[in-house]
Amino acid sequence: QSVLTQPPSASGTPGQRVTISCSGSSSNIGSNTVNWYQQLPGTAPKLLIYSNNQRPSGVPDRFSGSKSGTSASLAISGLQSEDEADYYCAAWDDSLNGHVVFGGGTKLTVL
Amino acid sequence: QVQLQESGPGLVKPSQTLSLTCTVSGGSISSGGYYWSWIRQHPGKGLEWIGYIYYSGSTYYNPSLKSRVTISVDTSKNQFSLKLSSVTAADTAVYYCARGGGRSEGNWFDPWGQGTLVTVSS
Repeated sequence: QSVLTQPPSASGTPGQRVTISCSGSSSNIGSNTVNWYQQLPGTAPKLLIYSNNQRPSGVPDRFSGSKSGTSASLAISGLQSEDEADYYCAAWDDSLNGHVVFGGGTKLTVL
Repeated sequence: QVQLQESGPGLVKPSQTLSLTCTVSGGSISSGGYYWSWIRQHPGKGLEWIGYIYYSGSTYYNPSLKSRVTISVDTSKNQFSLKLSSVTAADTAVYYCARGGGRSEGNWFDPWGQGTLVTVSS
């Protein structure tokens, strides 16, 4: 049971816009920034979005992040086949002297 | 650019100590500003943060693993290490090392090593 809640799966067709949600609480998302990671099959995770809505260099602007209250979302527009991957949200949690918590991950399928 | 590479035994016996090392290239751990992290992923499951260390030696651990985890740094070798004691089959996972931004930067992790599978079995 992950501290941050994500839907286990999402899907879309090429060119569509899809969103993935991440729900937390006041001790994590509600008081800290959210990061998103993309994990392509058989590879290590890659930082996709940091500080709620910032893209690292090299990440296409088709990827965007947002945060409101105790929830966050990752949006992918102009969906491409290479976007098929697992996506994880993460945040610092202030409880128990503080620690990083992850969502359970969302498997995105491009139909 | 900075690259990280995990190394260590792929098989550990139950009740023993898992030991892994992460070698950093393309950047110096002692230059500061980053938190050097360990994260694991159980087979077919999500990600679990284990802990991280600053070049000065300050450490932060996941409360659920704290009693069994030690992370250390060797700036002369540009390496940091993970020790997890009293392992069981539940510690079988792919272990990743990563560079972290730290609390003030939002605790992002980038880049990551390729990961190493550690199996706990007799």
